[in-house]
Amino acid sequence: GQQVMQIPQYQHVQEGEDFTTYCNSSTTLSNIQWYKQRPGGHPVFLIQLVKSGEVKKQKRLTFQFGEAKKNSSLHITATQTTDVGTYFCAGRNQFYFGTGTSLTVIP
Amino acid sequence: SQTIHQWPATLVQPVGSPLSLECTVEGTSNPNLYWYRQAAGRGLQLLFYSVGIGQISSEVPQNLSASRPQDRQFILSSKKLLLSDSGFYLCAWSRTGREPQHFGDGTRLSIL
Repeated sequence: GQQVMQIPQYQHVQEGEDFTTYCNSSTTLSNIQWYKQRPGGHPVFLIQLVKSGEVKKQKRLTFQFGEAKKNSSLHITATQTTDVGTYFCAGRNQFYFGTGTSLTVIP
Repeated sequence: SQTIHQWPATLVQPVGSPLSLECTVEGTSNPNLYWYRQAAGRGLQLLFYSVGIGQISSEVPQNLSASRPQDRQFILSSKKLLLSDSGFYLCAWSRTGREPQHFGDGTRLSIL
């Protein structure tokens, strides 16, 4: 079964506030991927992290891979209503997705 | 470029009826193929994956089955649907098990 846990499960923020979701694995991951699923849509690939301690940025999104390659985080700076959706991490050959964090942005 | 097609978009079926959902990928060869189910407001549950024609791995015992009759065709089936089979079914492909997955638009299945 799945071995990748995500917290929090839900997050409501005011527009302009920051948001962070965390992904934790019980085992070392070869790499980790992040996906975004808009309400009513399908998951869309955002980014892949491979190296220990790796940090990647996509505009207001910052992705980190832990030194031990067992955890990862996604941070959004100054959220916008377009950020609404569920964010998933995927590890262990990417077959197994984390439980997801549903983000609601209040205008 | 690669594309993935999944149909139908929505489906309403009575309990006990059969099911066939089809997924096809274009623009690539020998992809890894996946079927996921997502209950309302929940995460993605991997149902089946395939690394080649006729090769199917099942992750969850259930009344669903999958087949891969052609390289870029993946079919999800059931002989008799249960109420618990309701959900959002997603097909996905990737080049390898470690590369990003690309999802179809999904099928919303309601069982009455």
